[in-house]
Amino acid sequence: GAVVSQHPSWVICKSGTSVKIECRSLDFQATTMFWYRQFPKQSLMLMATSNEGSKATYEQGVEKDKFLINHASLTLSTLTVTSAHPEDSSFYICSASTPGRRNTGELFFGEGSRLTVL
Amino acid sequence: DQQVKQNSPSLSVQEGRISILNCDYTNSMFDYFLWYKKYPAEGPTFLISISSIKDKNEDGRFTVFLNKSAKHLSLHIVPSQPGDSAVYFCAATITGTASKLTFGTGTRLQVTL
Repeated sequence: GAVVSQHPSWVICKSGTSVKIECRSLDFQATTMFWYRQFPKQSLMLMATSNEGSKATYEQGVEKDKFLINHASLTLSTLTVTSAHPEDSSFYICSASTPGRRNTGELFFGEGSRLTVL
Repeated sequence: DQQVKQNSPSLSVQEGRISILNCDYTNSMFDYFLWYKKYPAEGPTFLISISSIKDKNEDGRFTVFLNKSAKHLSLHIVPSQPGDSAVYFCAATITGTASKLTFGTGTRLQVTL
């Protein structure tokens, strides 16, 4: 199956700093990637849809100035958590669909990135 | 508002027996449903899906049943194996919405020897 890779898998940072998480599609071109967040014992919540070459579309309640998304190429999307605070500590997961499965919902997920803000 | 619900946070089943994981949804616009499996510290992996035009889809040991009138779907795993131990997420989407999935809270399945 298609491969989506995230980096870093773990990150610990101090409050007030910014953290960048990368999401790469390794063997296919992803014009659209999705960023999810999961708090403990809760479901995956869609944060934003990242479109290559254009601005991301954010879900209601997600601060676009805090969670900066850049999708500069067909294989890379980045999520930057700016001025991170402890409440931003979460598991962030990216996903993408292959061109042939775009309308089926069959997404390929990265390994996830666990962010801990001290 | 949780549009996709998995009311059982955990389930324990003996190896060889049937595992039944349940999922309910409230949005009648959803017309495509998926199950994902997730191991700790990994991203979810796609398991099986079903379109609303069907009421059953089978793939090896995995079968998904859809009851549209009850807005309920279930995943059956038979026979259950220890390697099936994971968290299972039910997800729903509206066809044509560019893969925007709404996930349930997940059910942790433990298959015991």
